[in-house]
Amino acid sequence: DAKTTQPTSMDCAEGRAANLPCNHSTISGNEYVYWYRQIHSQGPQYIIHGLKNNETNEMASLIITEDRKSSTLILPHATLRDTAVYYCIVRYRNTPLVFGKGTRLSVIA
Amino acid sequence: SAVISQKPSRDICQRGTSLTIQCQVDSQVTMMFWYRQQPGQSLTLIATANQGSEATYESGFVIDKFPISRPNLTFSTLTVSNMSPEDSSIYLCSVPGLAGGADTQYFGPGTRLTVL
Repeated sequence: DAKTTQPTSMDCAEGRAANLPCNHSTISGNEYVYWYRQIHSQGPQYIIHGLKNNETNEMASLIITEDRKSSTLILPHATLRDTAVYYCIVRYRNTPLVFGKGTRLSVIA
Repeated sequence: SAVISQKPSRDICQRGTSLTIQCQVDSQVTMMFWYRQQPGQSLTLIATANQGSEATYESGFVIDKFPISRPNLTFSTLTVSNMSPEDSSIYLCSVPGLAGGADTQYFGPGTRLTVL
């Protein structure tokens, strides 16, 4: 079973920041938080990951709470092409990804 | 990142028949993963295929239904046997990779299977 809880769906206005929450209250000390997204009819795409520090790359930022029980993926300026299902996954290194239901993000013009 | 291709990209099959899906990677990888995504659902791991050994299947999936071959480090096949409409899904292969200094997985484009 997935170890994360995410809202089923969210809307975001184009150009605004999209903040996608994820709860992972049972995360263990050696588990990483990964975010993937799946655009319709495509394979999942890696976005970002982190252990306990906040992370930023060219796609997004990842904010992990100090107790590591929740995190937020931030897309700073959402575009229509960011419409997708976003998956928050916690896992030990070198283990296969286990997907939950994810959040369906709709970016609205 | 790894470049992964799958064949066929889609197919429509009759119940009771079998379909073999191919996965080709542009680099050598020890492990390959096969996932299923039923309509409107998330991805479910079917099995992990290591070159030179038997595939390891997840709960609810068996070798007789989903036989897997792994003849070399860049190629794998998944066969969906004796198909029924419930097997209509997208089947995706995936390989480990590195991103930002930590391990992750890359996914192929998927094979969309419809069973009539």
